[in-house]
Amino acid sequence: DVKVTQSSRYLVKRTGEKVFLECVQDMDHENMFWYRQDPGLGLRLIYFSYDVKMKEKGDIPEGYSVSREKKERFSLILESASTNQTSMYLCASSTQVQGTEAFFGQGTRLTVV
Amino acid sequence: GQNIDQPTEMTATEGAIVQINCTYQTSGFNGLFWYQQHAGEAPTFLSYNVLDGLEEKGRFSSFLSRSKGYSYLLLKELQMKDSASYLCAFGGYQKVTFGTGTKLQVIP
Repeated sequence: DVKVTQSSRYLVKRTGEKVFLECVQDMDHENMFWYRQDPGLGLRLIYFSYDVKMKEKGDIPEGYSVSREKKERFSLILESASTNQTSMYLCASSTQVQGTEAFFGQGTRLTVV
Repeated sequence: GQNIDQPTEMTATEGAIVQINCTYQTSGFNGLFWYQQHAGEAPTFLSYNVLDGLEEKGRFSSFLSRSKGYSYLLLKELQMKDSASYLCAFGGYQKVTFGTGTKLQVIP
């Protein structure tokens, strides 16, 4: 059974803290993605990576960075958490074959207080 | 720019048929996805269309018209478990852009 695993389901952090969200996939997928999902705004792409050590900005990269040192692992970093980063964060992975589906993790609900 | 529009909410009756529409604008189209997302869960893949026409998969069908920038998801013989959000998305082999989703409520 294919799997994308996010390290935490719920997280509460203080404003100004550095936050790491980890994602691991076991499908040997080339592509990995970080989205955030907010009511009324849908899924918005923060960053994606199509290979180890490669990263591309998505639609809302400000305030975030990413790291992909190994193919199976893609980390999202909030350098200095702010309350407007309170959200549901979803990691996904896919192959690079056109039309193949993305597999999503269960999500991390981050609250910044 | 890129844009996807779909209705925010819909309500339909168990056993009925419902059509969820999606319109999009993009300069580089590489296919149209539909995903289902139950409350509190991750999205799961339903369908992918890259050519015009209707693709049928059991109770679910998806239609695409590239010239009109239009797609719809058709759900037949609705069941209570179909209550979920349905996300339209377009993309290629790397980046996928999602719409805001349509929340479908199935009532008895």
